[in-house]
Amino acid sequence: RKEVEQDPGPFNVPEGATVAFNCTYSNSASQSFFWYRQDCRKEPKLLMSVYSSGNEDGRFTAQLNRASQYISLLIRDSKLSDSATYLCVVNPPSNTGKLIFGQGTTLQVKP
Amino acid sequence: EAGVTQFPSHSVIEKGQTVTLRCDPISGHDNLYWYRRVMGKEIKFLLHFVKESKQDESGMPNNRFLAERTGGTYSTLKVQPAELEDSGVYFCASSQDSVYEQYFGPGTRLTVT
Repeated sequence: RKEVEQDPGPFNVPEGATVAFNCTYSNSASQSFFWYRQDCRKEPKLLMSVYSSGNEDGRFTAQLNRASQYISLLIRDSKLSDSATYLCVVNPPSNTGKLIFGQGTTLQVKP
Repeated sequence: EAGVTQFPSHSVIEKGQTVTLRCDPISGHDNLYWYRRVMGKEIKFLLHFVKESKQDESGMPNNRFLAERTGGTYSTLKVQPAELEDSGVYFCASSQDSVYEQYFGPGTRLTVT
């Protein structure tokens, strides 16, 4: 079983749609959680950290459910520029900054 | 402020040859990480430096890979001898106070033929 699992998609949605991505992680002792965004043939960039209480940044909302070991990302009012691969990332219980990446979910927003 | 830079951007070598990848972290960042993504797979951690010390090298695949960070500034990752399965994109990342807010470089695309 992979340490971080995501539905690879692709998710094809029209502009203005709301789309949600889910991710599960295997190590219940994991400490920190993130969503990164990666454009084609580019480096991953931090989109947002995910906190237990849930957090929102503009059109983006992230949720964490520790009991179910489940992380979600909701994008409202999708823009063409949101087209990218969204990576679910977990920091396992360790004293290093090691990050474990999911395979990514591809989003295509169509006009 | 300059971001993380990596050199070269692309490298094509033959099996059995040696390649050295370089990473320059963001100035002042003590934490430096190497990751790689092979075709069709997720990005995987290789190792973590704090200044010049290896904090965690649990992701290094085998002893053909050698990472160094002399002086605690830039880092090199040498693959010797290269094998076909080493092909992929090698990313470097750095962070300052928080080991979790990592900034990635553009990557080096390595092709071993």
